Amino acid sequence: AQSVTQPDIHITVSEGASLELRCNYSYGATPYLFWYVQSPGQGLQLLLKYFSGDTLVQGIKGFEAEFKRSQSSFNLRKPSVHWSDAAEYFCAVGPNNAGNMLTFGGGTRLMVKP
Amino acid sequence: DAGVTQSPTHLIKTRGQQVTLRCSPKSGHDTVSWYQQALGQGPQFIFQYYEEEERQRGNFPDRFSGHQFPNYSSELNVNALLLGDSALYLCASSDGTGTYEQYFGPGTRLTVT
Repeated sequence: AQSVTQPDIHITVSEGASLELRCNYSYGATPYLFWYVQSPGQGLQLLLKYFSGDTLVQGIKGFEAEFKRSQSSFNLRKPSVHWSDAAEYFCAVGPNNAGNMLTFGGGTRLMVKP
Repeated sequence: DAGVTQSPTHLIKTRGQQVTLRCSPKSGHDTVSWYQQALGQGPQFIFQYYEEEERQRGNFPDRFSGHQFPNYSSELNVNALLLGDSALYLCASSDGTGTYEQYFGPGTRLTVT
């Protein structure tokens, strides 16, 4: 069965500092990987996705993520964090078949210090 | 272009009651998935509807059922509510072309007392 682990429940960074959120997955085949962001009381917004090809993917709001098959990881990065980035971030993995259910990690709550 | 919409926004029910949540997919999308997000956790897949049929189901009891209408909108029904059913219920839509990119609605917050 597929699973996703986000080892960091909470992360606090200073505004302007760099950010890396960790994501490890377990999946039998080539995964489809996603990062979503959720602001308080809101639904999920897709930041970026990886299906195939270049292992470094760019997303919205200045985020990027790198797929590393050897480490089963898909870490999210941003070079300079803004106060508006404070939110909950979820990594998810999906199967590559017609039933595109997503399996989510437990999430990482990002707090940004001024 | 309207995104995924859900109603109601909030709902309070009593144990043992039944509830129906509604979802309208993003324009052009024909596939609807439902997720349950308990407080402090990631969303968990309940089921997915395509062409008015349940195509895939997660590890949820039969108390959770759904329906998809010809206009692709969907309902989630939960019978015999338990306190543990309190959660944010998220609807996601996709276009079924194989991109596997799902667009989420704002969710319905269900509280069971």
